Amino acid sequence: GAVVSQHPSWVICKSGTSVKIECRSLDFQATTMFWYRQFPKQSLMLMATSNEGSKATYEQGVEKDKFLINHASLTLSTLTVTSAHPEDSSFYICSAREWLRGTGGYTFGSGTRLTVV
Amino acid sequence: GQSLEQPSEVTAVEGAIVQINCTYQTSGFYGLSWYQQHDGGAPTFLSYNALDGLEETGRFSSFLSRSDSYGYLLLQELQMKDSASYFCAVRDSGAGSYQLTFGKGTKLSVIP
Repeated sequence: GAVVSQHPSWVICKSGTSVKIECRSLDFQATTMFWYRQFPKQSLMLMATSNEGSKATYEQGVEKDKFLINHASLTLSTLTVTSAHPEDSSFYICSAREWLRGTGGYTFGSGTRLTVV
Repeated sequence: GQSLEQPSEVTAVEGAIVQINCTYQTSGFYGLSWYQQHDGGAPTFLSYNALDGLEETGRFSSFLSRSDSYGYLLLQELQMKDSASYFCAVRDSGAGSYQLTFGKGTKLSVIP
């Protein structure tokens, strides 16, 4: 089945630095990828939709200059958290869309736990 | 906009059957999915219903009634490892990319 590889699985960074998270579709082409954020004991909140070769579409309230998304190829999307602050500490998960019959077409990465100190 | 309602917590006994309900409101609808998430892990896909009726996958079944904007996840022969959070999610058309919107999740606790 479809596999989405996300790394790093966890990262600790200092306040003010930037962190890049990568999401790769391993055996299919993902024209669209989604980035979610999940705070403890809460649901997954969509941050942005990333389309290959075009600008990402951000959800209301998500700062596009802070969360930079690049989807330069059909198998790779990256999320860069710039000038990270402790309030950005969260679980970030990517999802890629592939039209697999019966699955609704979505495969999730394993997630990245970001801790900003 | 979209909204989904599901119970926040459910407790059930090992070996029993539990049903987690989900009601939704969405401007466009292309299917209801269910995901399981263990603490600290990523969501894993369980089931998807695009049409009315029951879909069965092993111990898990999912039901959808589009006229009632309602679905449920049924877990049978509960095992301790089923203790996790379960999210319903609707797929609708947002910016032409068919986004998934998740419910707040139901924390299932399976007790001996």
